[in-house]
Amino acid sequence: DQQVKQNSPSLSVQEGRISILNCDYTNSMFDYFLWYKKYPAEGPTFLISISSIKDKNEDGRFTVFLNKSAKHLSLHIVPSQPGDSAVYFCAEGYAGNNRKLIWGLGTSLAVNP
Amino acid sequence: DAGITQSPRYKITETGRQVTLMCHQTWSHSYMFWYRQDLGHGLRLIYYSAAADITDKGEVPDGYVVSRSKTENFPLTLESATRSQTSVYFCASSAINSPLHFGNGTRLTVT
Repeated sequence: DQQVKQNSPSLSVQEGRISILNCDYTNSMFDYFLWYKKYPAEGPTFLISISSIKDKNEDGRFTVFLNKSAKHLSLHIVPSQPGDSAVYFCAEGYAGNNRKLIWGLGTSLAVNP
Repeated sequence: DAGITQSPRYKITETGRQVTLMCHQTWSHSYMFWYRQDLGHGLRLIYYSAAADITDKGEVPDGYVVSRSKTENFPLTLESATRSQTSVYFCASSAINSPLHFGNGTRLTVT
């Protein structure tokens, strides 16, 4: 039973457009949410995080939105670039406690030139 | 270079053999983790360590052993490899209240 669901296994977007990746979770006690990016044959790399006291966090082209009532997390990439093509994982857990992170299965994003 | 390195990158072993996956980090992070990644599952925590000589089980520890005699190293040993342990293994480290930093993984095949 997946506690963290990324319902879209893949997403294809044109270069310059917005990419929206989604993640749903079931545990309302989670207070820390992260997105990681993974290229083939590499490990996941941290992208952006948000705590439950916020509903939005921005870092350059990347914005994470948190809707606590809907238990929904999304990552917006604007504008999308071909180098953004990767697998994106969401993870949820508790601040200061990385050993309790629950990971989604990932969404493979393809940004087409 | 600073970072976290895993070795080997690829390993093929036979059922019943003992195999050790190595992980080394140069940041002096307190926390280190071992995950496995399998189709249909998110990353699952095998073991973690909060400091040298302090280790604890994660979600899927059976069949694995870890040690951490030095802060920078966190080897993972499969005592008697089984086919179900065929997977991609990721080591990660983190400072307190900081995100995980992952190595590039070890792809292990047990025949």
